[in-house]
Amino acid sequence: GAVVSQHPSRVICKSGTSVKIECRSLDFQATTMFWYRQFPKQSLMLMATSNEGSKATYEQGVEKDKFLINHASLTLSTLTVTSAHPEDSSFYICSARQGGPGEQYFGPGTRLTVT
Amino acid sequence: EDQVTQSPEALRLQEGESSSLNCSYTVSGLRGLFWYRQDPGKGPEFLFTLYSAGEEKEKERLKATLTKKESFLHITAPKPEDSATYLCAVQAGNSGYALNFGKGTSLLVTP
Repeated sequence: GAVVSQHPSRVICKSGTSVKIECRSLDFQATTMFWYRQFPKQSLMLMATSNEGSKATYEQGVEKDKFLINHASLTLSTLTVTSAHPEDSSFYICSARQGGPGEQYFGPGTRLTVT
Repeated sequence: EDQVTQSPEALRLQEGESSSLNCSYTVSGLRGLFWYRQDPGKGPEFLFTLYSAGEEKEKERLKATLTKKESFLHITAPKPEDSATYLCAVQAGNSGYALNFGKGTSLLVTP
């Protein structure tokens, strides 16, 4: 149990275009989903927290107009990188929490390359 | 400010050579300390959550322990398939359940 999927696993896009990444909890309802970014040989950095049906909370330094997060249901959250630039190239990972202080489960990640 | 420091940064072991990874933390009101395993190009895989000092959890060759200042991940008789990056993360009482990660320990187990 507790499986989180992400789609796509890899995406290459041209500078200036937008990319949407989906995060789904497959076998549980996620009260909260989180989006992280990981640069090569670095740890995960939290970008934003999203709760179903409400606006996402962004970490300091993360542009909310550039990284649009929608959490439309208890099993789906999407991250849209708008007007992507090469510096946005990274590994984007989502996680989902069932409820309470328990475990968070991570998706397999999406490798974004902006050319 | 919450801080998580993992050591060593990298560790090379021979198969069967037991060792421990360290995670030191400072946090305002620890809600939980998490250990994850991450393979290259993949998302973190959940291993353990520890909630209070003195708590211990085991899974196969891994055992995690927690004190008020640090956590250890003990690896007993490791195998090459245990090679991965091990991440430690803390969840603070005022964090809204978000995780603050350390930089990880890259473990290589050679046959």
